[in-house]
Amino acid sequence: GIQVEQSPPDLILQEGANSTLRCNFSDSVNNLQWFHQNPWGQLINLFYIPSGTKQNGRLSATTVATERYSLLYISSSQTTDSGVYFCASHSNDYKLSFGAGTTVTVRA
Amino acid sequence: DGGITQSPKYLFRKEGQNVTLSCEQNLNHDAMYWYRQDPGQGLRLIYYSQIVNDFQKGDIAEGYSVSREKKESFPLTVTSAQKNPTAFYLCASSISGTETQYFGPGTRLLVL
Repeated sequence: GIQVEQSPPDLILQEGANSTLRCNFSDSVNNLQWFHQNPWGQLINLFYIPSGTKQNGRLSATTVATERYSLLYISSSQTTDSGVYFCASHSNDYKLSFGAGTTVTVRA
Repeated sequence: DGGITQSPKYLFRKEGQNVTLSCEQNLNHDAMYWYRQDPGQGLRLIYYSQIVNDFQKGDIAEGYSVSREKKESFPLTVTSAQKNPTAFYLCASSISGTETQYFGPGTRLLVL
């Protein structure tokens, strides 16, 4: 399946700071999704973004499918943004391949 | 409320025992999935089903079995052949195989 590389693996932010998370893919990007996993393990859908840019409140995402990467922007971070962020993409056989995640810690 | 439910929240398995994890969805989704997550790692696909009475192996199917007799239900059995079953198990569903996947709250399996 498709290989997904996320960076950075860990990110520590002061409340109010902005940050960018990145996903690189080894093959064509299909139906890319971004998730946030909260401390209780629940995976929450953030974006379904096969291409282009989307915004939802303080979060936005951009996918450049031709260059096989996607970016997640967090602006004015809050402590509730802490958790693990995953990106995932379908390979051609419909399997969703996940990256290892970026662990974000926002300090008050 | 529409959504995906998983039970139990925590499950303990004894050596040589088979255990079954439940996953139910009332979203009228055709496709359902089981993933395994180990500490500090991403999710890995165990099995998936795109339609009732049909399912395919994912990347780490050995030691696991599934059934899909109803659209709403996709139970996962962790058999005694799975030598390292301790993990967090997540079930997901989607309208079809290429659409957005939505996840249940997960089941933590521990070996006694």
